Amino acid sequence: GDSVTQMEGPVTLSEEAFLTINCTYTATGYPSLFWYVQYPGEGLQLLLKATKADDKGSNKGFEATYRKETTSFHLEKGSVQVSDSAVYFCALSGSGSARQLTFGSGTQLTVLP
Amino acid sequence: GAVVSQHPSWVICKSGTSVKIECRSLDFQATTMFWYRQFPKQSLMLMATSNEGSKATYEQGVEKDKFLINHASLTLSTLTVTSAHPEDSSFYICSAREGQDYGYTFGSGTRLTVV
Repeated sequence: GDSVTQMEGPVTLSEEAFLTINCTYTATGYPSLFWYVQYPGEGLQLLLKATKADDKGSNKGFEATYRKETTSFHLEKGSVQVSDSAVYFCALSGSGSARQLTFGSGTQLTVLP
Repeated sequence: GAVVSQHPSWVICKSGTSVKIECRSLDFQATTMFWYRQFPKQSLMLMATSNEGSKATYEQGVEKDKFLINHASLTLSTLTVTSAHPEDSSFYICSAREGQDYGYTFGSGTRLTVV
């Protein structure tokens, strides 16, 4: 079945540092790929997405490129801020009839001032 | 943009009682809704998928008689935790989608504590 493997955390960075959170996937067909962010005590918010190979999703300085050859969708940001502290989830929408989301395990990011 | 309202945001109940959690799509019709459970510092585990007007499809290992899901209208789905026990304490999150080609919108979650 579909699965998402995500870099384990927690990750602690200083403000303005470069961020990479690795994500690889296993799926049949051509899934859509997502990054969601969860702030403490809240639900999930869509950060960015890509629906086909070589697409780059971007939002709020975050980027991720859909790499079919390496089955990856790594999240990057050039300069993190304290307000980026949250849990980040990589997810895919597969080929099942309901096309429900399959999530990675989540990565806790803490950015220190 | 699409908004999903989930209530209550937190609830404390006594063991043996039932709790109902509501999930409403405010500005779109949600043909499909998903219910997730999240344990502390863990990922979201899909519990069930419901389509408006039909019975929910439960994931393996989820007790359908304990977690009752109703999706009677295109804007409302409810999850009822029946005869709750302390091990049911968790963070429950709903998600709604207008159709297969639309994105997923998540509710803000419900923190359930059973004492």
